[in-house]
Amino acid sequence: EVQLVESGGGLVQPGGSLRLSCAASGFTFSTYSMHWVRQAPGKGLEWVSDISSTTSTIFYADSVKGRFTISRDNAKNSLYLQMNSLRDEDTAVYYCARGAYGSGSYYLGYWGQGTLVTVSS
Amino acid sequence: DIQMTQSPSTLSASVGDRVTITCRASQSIISWLAWYQHKPGKAPKLLIYKASSLESGVPSRFSGSGSGTEFTLTISSLQPDDFATYYCQQYNSYPLTFGGGTKVEIK
Repeated sequence: EVQLVESGGGLVQPGGSLRLSCAASGFTFSTYSMHWVRQAPGKGLEWVSDISSTTSTIFYADSVKGRFTISRDNAKNSLYLQMNSLRDEDTAVYYCARGAYGSGSYYLGYWGQGTLVTVSS
Repeated sequence: DIQMTQSPSTLSASVGDRVTITCRASQSIISWLAWYQHKPGKAPKLLIYKASSLESGVPSRFSGSGSGTEFTLTISSLQPDDFATYYCQQYNSYPLTFGGGTKVEIK
């Protein structure tokens, strides 16, 4: 059974940093691209970033480019999102999701239950 | 960026009703469209990919159609478990973009 479990969310002040993690199991993690998607309170889903299976290709939404960094450790079956210079509008539930085999824009076949990030003073 | 517009934003329906949700893309995405079901506090769930392909394990009352810029998700007979918010998502090009969501409520 595919499982994705996010962790690392919490309360952080504007301008602060936070690192999210996503632990994957139930599939060969090293062969799939992985994504982060977020949902602000009362809003819809917003794609944030993705990373190919070999880390050769990385994409970001304009809203986070230059502030967030996606990475992965295939030996640990883990996905990460380093979030710097956080803003109030980054407050959201952050989901990790499995994408394509390898790389490329794709649908998201499996999702975690999310971790809440709150940016507030 | 490709804009995805869903309608309606809210839909009130009864168990047994046929429900149709529309998703429009700002430019052609061929058939690179997915539909998701999302319930509060839960992980979003993939229902349909490539506009009309039913994900394994998803009940056959869900169906998708369309191509180019116009797509629909149909629930043939609404069940109690189907009350949720539904999102379309294009994966024709980056950035991946979602529709604003359609909340299906109990009438």
